[in-house]
Amino acid sequence: NAGVTQTPKFQVLKTGQSMTLQCAQDMNHNSMYWYRQDPGMGLRLIYYSASEGTTDKGEVPNGYNVSRLNKREFSLRLESAAPSQTSVYFCASSEGYPNTEAFFGQGTRLTVV
Amino acid sequence: DQQVKQNSPSLSVQEGRISILNCDYTNSMFDYFLWYKKYPAEGPTFLISISSIKDKNEDGRFTVFLNKSAKHLSLHIVPSQPGDSAVYFCAASHSGTYKYIFGTGTRLKVLA
Repeated sequence: NAGVTQTPKFQVLKTGQSMTLQCAQDMNHNSMYWYRQDPGMGLRLIYYSASEGTTDKGEVPNGYNVSRLNKREFSLRLESAAPSQTSVYFCASSEGYPNTEAFFGQGTRLTVV
Repeated sequence: DQQVKQNSPSLSVQEGRISILNCDYTNSMFDYFLWYKKYPAEGPTFLISISSIKDKNEDGRFTVFLNKSAKHLSLHIVPSQPGDSAVYFCAASHSGTYKYIFGTGTRLKVLA
């Protein structure tokens, strides 16, 4: 049982390039999330999808787009990468019911030069 | 506006002693609180949680206390072990939104 799988694990982009971070979960969870982790800033929510077919902005959505492709997959797209988007990105999923926890992937370390 | 705050960036304790990690929140709508543990180069892993209808939840060496009037929760680890050395994140959610808001984390170092 893999849980939450993120690809790629590492990526270096040049400023202005685009890329998509992929996330898939095999726990039949309803809700999925994208967070970024930066030193001193903790984990900040970028976008989330409460259920298949819905997406909502989190705390720091600017510069990102998301797609909930189906119940299993939730992708994060950077259309024109900027150095400020250098970060570690985590995907997570949860059952989507009250009083349940989220499960995280291993993370994608992205560097924008 | 930081809705979940962990004011201590780091904490060092001796092996066998108690570790106390603190967390404050500002949004009174939060009704579920979680603690996560994170090792370097890994994703956060769920540790323990508490619903707002309780003031204490215990799981082995880990106990979480919630003081709703003060909007404060704490994680107690007794006894602390070197393997507990990690970054600990406090998180909060409320049942109307399904999203989790995290604090900035506290790096715990347990000295052998």
